[in-house]
Amino acid sequence: GAGVSQSPSNKVTEKGKDVELRCDPISGHTALYWYRQSLGQGLEFLIYFQGNSAPDKSGLPSDRFSAERTGGSVSTLTIQRTQQEDSAVYLCASSPTDSGRLGYTFGSGTRLTVV
Amino acid sequence: AQSVTQLGSHVSVSEGALVLLRCNYSSSVPPYLFWYVQYPNQGLQLLLKYTTGATLVKGINGFEAEFKKSETSFHLTKPSAHMSDAAEYFCAVSDSNDMRFGAGTRLTVKP
Repeated sequence: GAGVSQSPSNKVTEKGKDVELRCDPISGHTALYWYRQSLGQGLEFLIYFQGNSAPDKSGLPSDRFSAERTGGSVSTLTIQRTQQEDSAVYLCASSPTDSGRLGYTFGSGTRLTVV
Repeated sequence: AQSVTQLGSHVSVSEGALVLLRCNYSSSVPPYLFWYVQYPNQGLQLLLKYTTGATLVKGINGFEAEFKKSETSFHLTKPSAHMSDAAEYFCAVSDSNDMRFGAGTRLTVKP
């Protein structure tokens, strides 16, 4: 596609429920990144994919968080047993390579609210 | 590991005044440096980047930034602020396969 697409744009869920957030990167971009942006905070790195592999999962906050990427394209971030502290905007970005020098293209994010 | 510090979480300027947003970085290798802008309810948009070569880089919307290795700085400037520049600005550093962001600076432009 022309840009990075994220869905849903907004999600309200009850505490304890599982949620899935989807990211569709720019076609041909091999690197895909997930960040979390909490109110008034900067961007917190969660995980990155090169192809379908995740070399760096160091940012995932807990074992309730997981992510996968299939076909070198779409990625899904899953949060199990959601907690109120999970409320944030989840941003996805993609890049043609994982060298870091080209910068990222971001999606508009998914705003998650846990009530 | 690389890191970024943005000085000032909020900056307010008058329309037509100079914009200066400060960024200092830490990196063990020559870094790639970036500025991104985020408008309300949107993702981040790349303003400009420094990778190699000329240390003064120009970006979109009249912004520019200068890489100063001796000061480990990459401050963002614009000679004359416009109302449409009001947004959140993020400095970022990358030395390999991930990018680390500063906490952001919210720019307010007063009429």
